[in-house]
Amino acid sequence: NAGVTQTPKFQVLKTGQSMTLQCAQDMNHNSMYWYRQDPGMGLRLIYYSASEGTTDKGEVPNGYNVSRLNKREFSLRLESAAPSQTSVYFCASSGERTSTDTQYFGPGTRLTVL
Amino acid sequence: GDSVTQMEGPVTLSEEAFLTINCTYTATGYPSLFWYVQYPGEGLQLLLKATKADDKGSNKGFEATYRKETTSFHLEKGSVQVSDSAVYFCALHGSGGSNYKLTFGKGTLLTVNP
Repeated sequence: NAGVTQTPKFQVLKTGQSMTLQCAQDMNHNSMYWYRQDPGMGLRLIYYSASEGTTDKGEVPNGYNVSRLNKREFSLRLESAAPSQTSVYFCASSGERTSTDTQYFGPGTRLTVL
Repeated sequence: GDSVTQMEGPVTLSEEAFLTINCTYTATGYPSLFWYVQYPGEGLQLLLKATKADDKGSNKGFEATYRKETTSFHLEKGSVQVSDSAVYFCALHGSGGSNYKLTFGKGTLLTVNP
């Protein structure tokens, strides 16, 4: 049981390049999330998907797009990377749309934009 | 909106010392409260949670009690070990609406020396 997996683990981009971060979960969860982690900022929600076929903006969606490809997979795309998007990106999933539910996190993608 | 304030770090302790990391929150209604832990180079994992007032969450010797009257959820451990060195995040999950995101504190880095 792999839980939440993310690829790649590390990536270096030049300003203006594009890339897609991949996330998959094998827990049959309905909800999936993308967060970014910056020093001294905690984690901030970029986008989330409450169920297959739906996506919604979080706190910091500018510069990103997402696709909920199916129930298992939720990708995050940077169309034109900027140095301000240098961060560690975490994908998470949860089973139920309730406030008591635990979110399970992937290992993260460390992205550097030069 | 919802917010979480936790003790600024870093915190450095000797092995077997007592640990307290303070966490207070602002939220409407009856949020669920969580402590997540991030070990070096890894993603976040749930440490413990409490879903209603006066509940005590516990795991691996760590405890936290949901205090609605003081809007607090302080993390404690009676005797820390070197293996407890990590970043600890307090988080809340709102109780209403369709936004099921976690709101995180900024994290507290704990270093335990032998």
